[in-house]
Amino acid sequence: GQQVQQSPASLVLQEGENAELQCNFSTSLNSMQWFYQRPGGSLVSLFYNPSGTKQSGRLTSTTVIKERRSSLHISSSQTTDSGTYLCAMPPYQGGRALIFGTGTTVSVSP
Amino acid sequence: GGIITQTPKFLIGQEGQKLTLKCQQNFNHDTMYWYRQDSGKGLRLIYYSITENDLQKGDLSEGYDASREKKSSFSLTVTSAQKNEMAVFLCASSIWGGNTGQLYFGEGSKLTVL
Repeated sequence: GQQVQQSPASLVLQEGENAELQCNFSTSLNSMQWFYQRPGGSLVSLFYNPSGTKQSGRLTSTTVIKERRSSLHISSSQTTDSGTYLCAMPPYQGGRALIFGTGTTVSVSP
Repeated sequence: GGIITQTPKFLIGQEGQKLTLKCQQNFNHDTMYWYRQDSGKGLRLIYYSITENDLQKGDLSEGYDASREKKSSFSLTVTSAQKNEMAVFLCASSIWGGNTGQLYFGEGSKLTVL
């Protein structure tokens, strides 16, 4: 079935380090979404339907549609970046519910 | 901006009990969703609804009922709580354009079964 693969599963950083999170899709896509979930909290949308490169503060999303992949770059990480990052895409064969990856858990220590 | 409110935030029940979670949104979105999140397993879809009184099953619908009596609200019932159902339940909503829709989430409801 349709799958969304995220890597790495977890990441430990020292404050100030950069990180790159990957998301790969098993089917063609025309949109996707990156979310952030703080520990024990709700999901917040970071980037919606990015194509090419988009930046928001220290976060940069790069999506290559025809290669079915997207990456999320965190620059100069801070302890407040700790949490889980998830990517999701719409189902290939119709329907409205996004299909999620299992997430990358990021832990940033001071 | 809008908000999605889930109640209760924490729900403790007994094994075999019928338990209901509620979700309200004031975005005026057409589509609402219930996802379950287990540790290390990402989000899995239980039910979604594209409009009032509509229900669509997700991959995890067995053992659950849902109800969309109003556009703004979507409830989920665990028909018989089991110990292995301790998880976080997340409600979400989206407006639909083409075949994509930006998703907005509530804060989650954490279920513990004793």
